[in-house]
Amino acid sequence: KQEVTQIPAALSVPEGENLVLNCSFTDSAIYNLQWFRQDPGKGLTSLLLIQSSQREQTSGRLNASLDKSSGRSTLYIAASQPGDSATYLCAEVSGGYNKLIFGAGTRLAVHP
Amino acid sequence: EPEVTQTPSHQVTQMGQEVILRCVPISNHLYFYWYRQILGQKVEFLVSFYNNEISEKSEIFDDQFSVERPDGSNFTLKIRSTKLEDSAMYFCASRLTGPNEKLFFGSGTQLSVL
Repeated sequence: KQEVTQIPAALSVPEGENLVLNCSFTDSAIYNLQWFRQDPGKGLTSLLLIQSSQREQTSGRLNASLDKSSGRSTLYIAASQPGDSATYLCAEVSGGYNKLIFGAGTRLAVHP
Repeated sequence: EPEVTQTPSHQVTQMGQEVILRCVPISNHLYFYWYRQILGQKVEFLVSFYNNEISEKSEIFDDQFSVERPDGSNFTLKIRSTKLEDSAMYFCASRLTGPNEKLFFGSGTQLSVL
């Protein structure tokens, strides 16, 4: 059964810190991996999508990496800001009609 | 920027009642999805829809659930006889084409079954 795990479950950091969120997955036949942001009571916003043939993607202060051999992805957030406070979800896509399998998320709080 | 629109944002219903959750996907998208998130739990896949038919469904998506794309713009999820355990945030999502396209989510409908 495909499983996606995220650690830590929660993280609190002071503004300005660089931080790493971790995601691990069990399916070696992963098609791609996506990182989402979820604000309380809101929908999911796609941040980055890494195809299985890629090793990383960057968008502004965000950098996501993918290591299929170890079943891991990381989301690096540089120079964190209070506005980055949210839950970050990773999700894998593998086979079929490409449904997403989500992790439980990392709840990030960046305090001034 | 185009977005997926869901209505209503909140729905309260009595157990055993039918509910219809509505979604307007992004206009040129071809693949449509429903996901749900029970409070404190992971986001779970319910169903995918392509070319006017269900392409994949999860174990959760039993005979009480159905989806329709009644016209060129709307995509609905119907729950025929709601149960307490159907209480969750329901998300609609759409994607343009292949699996390496990003999935765009609506802001969700919070369904409360009393």
